[in-house]
Amino acid sequence: GEDVEQSLFLSVREGDSSVINCTYTDSSSTYLYWYKQEPGAGLQLLTYIFSNMDMKQDQRLTVLLNKKDKHLSLRIADTQTGDSAIYFCAESPGSYIPTFGRGTSLIVHP
Amino acid sequence: NAGVMQNPRHLVRRRGQEARLRCSPVKGHSHVYWYRQLPEEGLKFMVYLQKENIIDESGMPKERFSAEFPKEGPSILRIQQVVRGDSAAYFCASSPGGSGRDNEQFFGPGTRLTVL
Repeated sequence: GEDVEQSLFLSVREGDSSVINCTYTDSSSTYLYWYKQEPGAGLQLLTYIFSNMDMKQDQRLTVLLNKKDKHLSLRIADTQTGDSAIYFCAESPGSYIPTFGRGTSLIVHP
Repeated sequence: NAGVMQNPRHLVRRRGQEARLRCSPVKGHSHVYWYRQLPEEGLKFMVYLQKENIIDESGMPKERFSAEFPKEGPSILRIQQVVRGDSAAYFCASSPGGSGRDNEQFFGPGTRLTVL
C-alpha cells in the first residue's frame, strides 16, 4: 500500500536553513509535492518535482529526490518567521489523488 | 480571482445531528475533491466529483456520508447522525481537469467540524 512518512516537528533559528525530510513507499510515484499549511488555512502547493528529476530549485526552496531510497527533502534557505507552518509531503502515481504525509510542524525562533 | 471557498469555516453539532459542508470551486473548475484531516494526521482522500457525477468515492465511509456536486451551486458534503469521531477538518479542493500538472488541485481553507 501507499505510505508517506515525515517527522512531526522541526525547530530552527531564524536565518538558518531548514531541511524537512519525507519517505514514501509507492515506487510508481510520478509526482512528489510539498504543501504548506498556515494556521487556520488550507494547503498551498509550494513546489513539486517529477520522479525523473533529482533536484529542483525555486528561490529559497530546494527539493531533492533520491528515487532509489524513495526519499524526498525540502530545504528552505534563510528561514524566516513567516515560514512557520506545517509542511506536507505528498506523492501521486500520476492519478488525481495524492497521498499525504502527516505533516512536519516547522517552528522558527529568533 | 476567488479561490476555493468553503462554508461554514467552523461548525458545531451535537451527536445525532446532521452536518452540511459547502464548497465552491475556483471559477471554471469542474472537478472537486473532499479530504478529511484528523488531529495530527495527514489529509485522507474521501471523494472525487465532477459536475453531477461521483467519480471516485473509495475514501468515503459506507454509511452516513454522502457528497454531491450539482450542475448549479456548490458541492455539498453531508454527514448524517454525526458522532464524536467525525470531528475533524474537512478540506475541499478543485482542479480544472486535464492530466498531470494541468490538473493541479487548489485547496479551500477547510471547515472545522466539532461534534459535542
